[in-house]
Amino acid sequence: EDQVTQSPEALRLQEGESSSLNCSYTVSGLRGLFWYRQDPGKGPEFLFTLYSAGEEKEKERLKATLTKKESFLHITAPKPEDSATYLCAARPPTSGTYKYIFGTGTRLKVLA
Amino acid sequence: NAGVTQTPKFQVLKTGQSMTLQCAQDMNHNSMYWYRQDPGMGLRLIYYSASEGTTDKGEVPNGYNVSRLNKREFSLRLESAAPSQTSVYFCATGDSEQFFGPGTRLTVL
Repeated sequence: EDQVTQSPEALRLQEGESSSLNCSYTVSGLRGLFWYRQDPGKGPEFLFTLYSAGEEKEKERLKATLTKKESFLHITAPKPEDSATYLCAARPPTSGTYKYIFGTGTRLKVLA
Repeated sequence: NAGVTQTPKFQVLKTGQSMTLQCAQDMNHNSMYWYRQDPGMGLRLIYYSASEGTTDKGEVPNGYNVSRLNKREFSLRLESAAPSQTSVYFCATGDSEQFFGPGTRLTVL
């Protein structure tokens, strides 16, 4: 069964304390691994798409990487405004559609 | 360019009442989706529409119906609301990456 698991469920960091969030997936023939940021009371906001093992994408303090079994979202020198829930999703090779399988997210809190 | 809009933002229903959640996109995407988000469960797909004129069931379709009115609009209908349908509902659109609306917070008493 296709599955996406995120860890940890919650993470508290001091401002400037770098860390990584994990997204493990069991999806054969992955057609894309997606990262989103979700602020309280809002819809998920698209961050990155990764398609193949070894690929990396960066945006400000965030860098996403992909291996054959997992993806990491690295946060370098985080600031309080990086506090949010980070979601990952995998797209299996279902023809004709773009359905995702979502993880349950990592709630990140960055303390000033 | 509003992206994805959803109405209403909040709704309280009594058990057995019906309502329709509206979603519209101006991103010219073929595919549209309805999700529900519950604590500890993540985002679960209710229904999706790969193109205008087609709809398909997702992971949790029971108790819901959808209409793909045109390329821009995709509505979700609860015919007889139940407390188990209390949730936050998100509409999304996208032909690769998905882009989400702001959500509808529904409470069924």
